[in-house]
Amino acid sequence: EPEVTQTPSHQVTQMGQEVILRCVPISNHLYFYWYRQILGQKVEFLVSFYNNEISEKSEIFDDQFSVERPDGSNFTLKIRSTKLEDSAMYFCASSEWAYNEQFFGPGTRLTVL
Amino acid sequence: GNSVTQMEGPVTLSEEAFLTINCTYTATGYPSLFWYVQYPGEGLQLLLKATKADDKGSNKGFEATYRKETTSFHLEKGSVQVSDSAVYFCALSGGGSGGSNYKLTFGKGTLLTVNP
Repeated sequence: EPEVTQTPSHQVTQMGQEVILRCVPISNHLYFYWYRQILGQKVEFLVSFYNNEISEKSEIFDDQFSVERPDGSNFTLKIRSTKLEDSAMYFCASSEWAYNEQFFGPGTRLTVL
Repeated sequence: GNSVTQMEGPVTLSEEAFLTINCTYTATGYPSLFWYVQYPGEGLQLLLKATKADDKGSNKGFEATYRKETTSFHLEKGSVQVSDSAVYFCALSGGGSGGSNYKLTFGKGTLLTVNP
């Protein structure tokens, strides 16, 4: 069964460093998403992406964040200068179309020291 | 904006007990409602969904009915198993005033532990 994959499973970085989290969505899906979950808190929407551009972003998704689909399979989230409060589990998701079921990856745990 | 309020956990039950996890929502219009489950060490998996009022979503013995009059989508299972131990998230999408409303808005999650 097709699934969303994410790498790495755990990333440890120093404050101020850039990180890139990678996702491979399901191949025939057109919509891609990033969510994050700070430990003990809600899963929060960050950004959605369609047709090579951002279709919606939350207030969390500030200038430090960017997303890209560099090729036909990967979907990346970049954080330019990490802060301690960026420590969270980051989930990638994809859906075939806008209102279809979103399929989630296993997540990348980001730890900022 | 949209919001989801979910019963605080953790919930601890014995095997074969009845489960209810309460979920209420705030949204304009007609959102779609979901329950997602997260097993230890895994990502979020869709458990069930309902897209319009009075719809009942069901899967793996779990059920939830979309109640517009009470803005609720409570999750129930008649007889839980140890393997049901996980975190359960209520979520909604759509139902806003327009624009791109297919993002998911989640509740805080409820940790369920089922003991043998």
